[in-house]
Amino acid sequence: EPEVTQTPSHQVTQMGQEVILRCVPISNHLYFYWYRQILGQKVEFLVSFYNNEISEKSEIFDDQFSVERPDGSNFTLKIRSTKLEDSAMYFCASSELTELFFGEGSRLTVL
Amino acid sequence: QKEVEQNSGPLSVPEGAIASLNCTYSDRGSQSFFWYRQYSGKSPELIMSIYSNGDKEDGRFTAQLNKASQYVSLLIRDSQPSDSATYLCAVNWSGGSNYKLTFGKGTLLTVNP
Repeated sequence: EPEVTQTPSHQVTQMGQEVILRCVPISNHLYFYWYRQILGQKVEFLVSFYNNEISEKSEIFDDQFSVERPDGSNFTLKIRSTKLEDSAMYFCASSELTELFFGEGSRLTVL
Repeated sequence: QKEVEQNSGPLSVPEGAIASLNCTYSDRGSQSFFWYRQYSGKSPELIMSIYSNGDKEDGRFTAQLNKASQYVSLLIRDSQPSDSATYLCAVNWSGGSNYKLTFGKGTLLTVNP
């Protein structure tokens, strides 16, 4: 069964460092997303990406965040200068017409 | 501010019983509604989607939507210990294929053997 894959599964970083989270969406899907979930909190939408550009973004997705599809398979989320409050589980997702498929998540810990 | 509200629980039911999970949402114009199951430390997994008023059944699961009351529910029949998880209600405010979902906080369900 096709799946969304994410790397790394867990990353620990120092505050102020840049982090790149990587995702391989399901191959025939056209929309890609990043969501995040702070421990004990709601799953929150960050950004959607379609046709090589951002389709929508939330208030959370400020100038510290960026997304890129550097090649035909990878989809990345970059956080330029991490803050303590960026510590969360980051879920990549991709969608077809009727369903959103989530990856297993990348846990980011900012110290 | 568009909100999705759920009773955080925990909801505890005995094995074999019916578990009833509820969700309300703030925007009457909402287009599509989803129930996800999330095991601790794992990603959300889609259980049901519902788009129009009424009931939708899939195996032991029934989703119910009432747009006039801005209410969506999930019934789990013959609950099993493996159903123990957090159930997330999610709403897509816009139509189309862009899944910009707003999630509720989730209801923790425990099914006791």
